Amino acid sequence: RKEVEQDPGPFNVPEGATVAFNCTYSNSASQSFFWYRQDCRKEPKLLMSVYSSGNEDGRFTAQLNRASQYISLLIRDSKLSDSATYLCVVRGTGGFKTIFGAGTRLFVKA
Amino acid sequence: NAGVTQTPKFQVLKTGQSMTLQCAQDMNHNSMYWYRQDPGMGLRLIYYSASEGTTDKGEVPNGYNVSRLNKREFSLRLESAAPSQTSVYFCASKPAGFTDTQYFGPGTRLTVL
Repeated sequence: RKEVEQDPGPFNVPEGATVAFNCTYSNSASQSFFWYRQDCRKEPKLLMSVYSSGNEDGRFTAQLNRASQYISLLIRDSKLSDSATYLCVVRGTGGFKTIFGAGTRLFVKA
Repeated sequence: NAGVTQTPKFQVLKTGQSMTLQCAQDMNHNSMYWYRQDPGMGLRLIYYSASEGTTDKGEVPNGYNVSRLNKREFSLRLESAAPSQTSVYFCASKPAGFTDTQYFGPGTRLTVL
């Protein structure tokens, strides 16, 4: 089993739709959680951190469920510019062990 | 302020050739990382350097060596390239302190024939 698993998609949604991605992690001792965004043939960039209480940044909402060991990303009112791959990132204990998921591809169409 | 820069952007090697991928950051970050990204695999950590003068193996270090030349620069060397090392290589850096945000360079696309 992979340490961090994501549905690869692709998710194809119309503009204005709400879309949600989940990501599961296997190490219950994981400490920090993030969503990164990666555009085609570009480098990953931090989208948002995921806090235990959940957090929101504009149209984006991230949630953490430690009991079930998953994190989620909700995108409301999707824009064409949201088309990208979304990487789930989990940092465990012991310093620098950061695990990237393989990513979920999102296509937003007009 | 260029952030994280990588050279070259593209490279084609023949099996057995050697090369060094260069990475530099101008953000005064302590930690630097080398990842490879393959389709369906996500980013996998090759080596990292927690601070100047230290380097440690990541998840997939075999076939690679690294040098943390100074605080700014962290290079990745392939001594004898193999087709299995065809990949996109990303360098990243992270500041000191309680943050996990990594800043990535634009990547090097390497093909080994």
